[in-house]
Amino acid sequence: DTAVSQTPKYLVTQMGNDKSIKCEQNLGHDTMYWYKQDSKKFLKIMFSYNNKELIINETVPNRFSPKSPDKAHLNLHINSLELGDSAVYFCASSQRQGASGYTFGSGTRLTVV
Amino acid sequence: AQKITQTQPGMFVQEKEAVTLDCTYDTSDPSYGLFWYKQPSSGEMIFLIYQGSYDQQNATEGRYSLNFQKARKSANLVISASQLGDSAMYFCAMREGPGNSGYALNFGKGTSLLVTP
Repeated sequence: DTAVSQTPKYLVTQMGNDKSIKCEQNLGHDTMYWYKQDSKKFLKIMFSYNNKELIINETVPNRFSPKSPDKAHLNLHINSLELGDSAVYFCASSQRQGASGYTFGSGTRLTVV
Repeated sequence: AQKITQTQPGMFVQEKEAVTLDCTYDTSDPSYGLFWYKQPSSGEMIFLIYQGSYDQQNATEGRYSLNFQKARKSANLVISASQLGDSAMYFCAMREGPGNSGYALNFGKGTSLLVTP
């Protein structure tokens, strides 16, 4: 049973569209995250979400919005997609301070054409 | 400013040899955690090893060990007896917190390791 699952694995869409990426974790972790990995493989935190407390990386455009229906889910919604949004997006989860490790989903490769 | 620095963009090592991947970090938080992740060409992020700032001993996990030098703010990953399957991208990461990003990990730019026969 997958610990952190993301769907879809691949997403190809046109500029200007709105899309969502779903993430679910079954580890009982209380904190979830979204990371963006760019073409140079650099991983950058986008959002951190814990018990309804959302911490946003100030460099993330407001076209990106996380939505959490419950503690086990953190979806990423992107409005008005741009070419520069093409990247791999990773969902992750941890138990608060993460001493037991952060578990990552398998990633969603988003291509905007 | 970059909090995690990995100065080796690419490394080669022969099979069965040991290799050290460098990582230095910058923090003023007395409580922090250091992590290493492996990302093979298939793309998934695989957790390798963790070192807490208050841990007295260097962390070890099988063939992986973390050479933690707190005063120098370095957390180098040592892979012993390299295998072909170790060829991958390796990321050093740090958790401070909660700070401005919750307990999120800050990653270095990674080191691409190629193990040759």
